[in-house]
Formats: sequence, structure tokens, C-alpha cells
Amino acid sequence: QVQLVQSGTEVRKIGASVKVSCRASGYTLTAHFIHWMRLARGQGLEWMGWINPGRGGTSFAENFQGRIMLTTDASSSVVYLELRGLTLDDTAVYFCARDRAPLQPSFDPWGQGTLVIVSS
Amino acid sequence: QSALTQPASVSGSPGQSITITCSGASSDIGHSNFVSWYQHHPGKAPKLILFEVSNRPSGIPDRFSGSKSVNTASLTISGLQAEDEADYYCSSYTTISALYVVFGGGTKVTVL
Repeated sequence: QVQLVQSGTEVRKIGASVKVSCRASGYTLTAHFIHWMRLARGQGLEWMGWINPGRGGTSFAENFQGRIMLTTDASSSVVYLELRGLTLDDTAVYFCARDRAPLQPSFDPWGQGTLVIVSS
Repeated sequence: QSALTQPASVSGSPGQSITITCSGASSDIGHSNFVSWYQHHPGKAPKLILFEVSNRPSGIPDRFSGSKSVNTASLTISGLQAEDEADYYCSSYTTISALYVVFGGGTKVTVL
């Protein structure tokens, strides 16, 4: 079945960078966009950006412009999120998700989430 | 501050029906039918339960239904069951160019 499996918990200091992976299985990676969202304690979900694994194109939410990078290793069916210049406000669970159908703004399935803790 | 407004919590007894509202604007919910709902049991992957306002993915029971009026979408859970206790998030496509989708702040559903 279609599945997204993410890497484990990360702990970083303020100002550092973090790279989270999302391994896809059960479908052709290049056929669907992968989106990234995050969920901070006491907050709602926040859409961060998408990558087209087939062509490498990306789009990011304005809040993350300049410090986010999304990349793909198609040979391993893995998508990566890198976030730089971490602040305490970046402490959250980060999720990858596949678009339900090409260019449709709903997401299915989701990865299990990766907790990123930023400390001083 | 989330772009879409949901009640923080809703509760009901087993077998009852509950409705969660999701209020937005003409730039998101009011713009198109690209409204989705997600169920999230903390510690697990969120699950898509409705897309395009009222469509259920395969495997989602028909106890879950959705509707939309102008700038407000609603999720109704009929015949509430213990396993429905979770957080629920609405989302919508947005015409704001710096974004793609916006989410609600989430609603905690408690089964009494």
C-alpha cells in the first residue's frame, strides 16, 4: 500500500539546521507532489511547501522563504526537508504528505511525523 | 493564528451526532470546493476523511459527512463512536499567492 515513512526525532540548538527525510513506497514517487506541514504545540497545522519529485520544482509558504529547501533522491524514493536558522518557534512535529491526486489540494497519505526540538 | 477558525473542542455521547464548523473567507473556503478534513490521533499520521467538501476516500465510513455554505464548511460525525475521539482539522485551497492551502486550528472531539 502507499506509505510514507519519516526519519526520527531531531534535537538542535538555536541557529542550527535540520534535515528530515520522507521515504515513499507503494507508488511511483514522480507521479505525485509531496507536501510538508508542521504542527506546533497549541497551534494548528501549517503548510510549508511542496516539491514535484518528477521535475524538482518547488513552492514555499512565505513564512519559510529563504530558509527552507526541499530535495528528492528519486533513486531511493526519498524526499528531504531542510530548515535552516532554527528558532524556538520551529519546535514542532513535521509531516510529509502526498497529494491525493495530481495538483489536488488534499493530502493522502501522511507520514507518521518527525519531532524537531529546538533548544537554547 | 490559523487562517481558518474552528471551535477548540466539541463533545458528544456515543451514538449522538456532532458538527464541527470551519470559518474562512472569500479567498479560501468561499473561493472553491477544495475543502478537506483530517482526523488526527496524536502520535499517529493524520488521515484524510473528506475532500472537495463532502467526498469520502475509500475506507472512510459514511458516518462522516461534509457541507459548505459561502465561507463556512462543516463536518458532521453521526453515530459517534469511541474511536472518533481525536483532533480534526479543516483545510482549504487559498488564492493568497504566498500560500497554497490554509488549515484551521483544530477541534478536539471528546466522546463522553
